[in-house]
Amino acid sequence: ELKVEQNPLFLSMQEGKNYTIYCNYSTTSDRLYWYRQDPGKSLESLFVLLSNGAVKQEGRLMASLDTKARLSTLHITAAVHDLSATYFCAVDFGYGGSQGNLIFGKGTKLSVKP
Amino acid sequence: KAGVTQTPRYLIKTRGQQVTLSCSPISGHRSVSWYQQTPGQGLQFLFEYFSETQRNKGNFPGRFSGRQFSNSRSEMNVSTLELGDSALYLCASRLDGDYEQYFGPGTRLTVT
Repeated sequence: ELKVEQNPLFLSMQEGKNYTIYCNYSTTSDRLYWYRQDPGKSLESLFVLLSNGAVKQEGRLMASLDTKARLSTLHITAAVHDLSATYFCAVDFGYGGSQGNLIFGKGTKLSVKP
Repeated sequence: KAGVTQTPRYLIKTRGQQVTLSCSPISGHRSVSWYQQTPGQGLQFLFEYFSETQRNKGNFPGRFSGRQFSNSRSEMNVSTLELGDSALYLCASRLDGDYEQYFGPGTRLTVT
C-alpha cells in the first residue's frame, strides 16, 4: 500500500524556536513535495525534492530528502508567527507517464505563539 | 502568467443532484490532476488527465468522472451527490516533463 506518514500532526511552537517535521513514505520514490496551506486556502508549493540527498532552503524553512530511508524532513528555524499554517508532504510514486498522482500525508498543523 | 483557475468557487447542492466543476490550467500545461480534500480523509487523488486522456485514476466510485478538452481545460462531474461528497476540490496543472504541480484556488462543494 502506498502510504505517506507525517509527524507530528499538531505542533505548537514558540517564536524563535527550531523544530522539525518528519515525512515517511512506504515505498521507493525520488519525487517528494512540500506544500503549505492556510485556512480556507489552496496549496502553495514550498519545495520539490527530486533526488537522494536533495536539500532546499527558503527563508526559515529547509527541506531534505533521504530516499534510502524513505524520509523527508522540513526544518523550521527561529519560527515566526507568519509560519503558522498546515504543512503537507506528498509523494509521487508513479513512473514515466504515471506522474501527477500525489499521495499526501495528513498534514502538520503548525501554530507559532509569541 | 495567469495561474490555475477553478469555477465555481463555491457551490451548494442537494443530495441526489449532480455537479460539474471546471478547471483551466496554466497556459501550456497539458496535465491536469484533481484532488478531494475533506477533514476526515485528507487530500486524496481523484484522477489525472493528459492530452484529453485519463492517465491515472484514484480509488473513488464511478459517480466521480472527468474529462479534458482539446484546450486542456478539464471538468469533473459527480453524480448522485452524497453528504460525504462535501469537500474542497482542487485541481492542479503541470507542464509536460516537469515535476511541479500548481494548484488552483479550489471549489468548495457543500451537499445538504
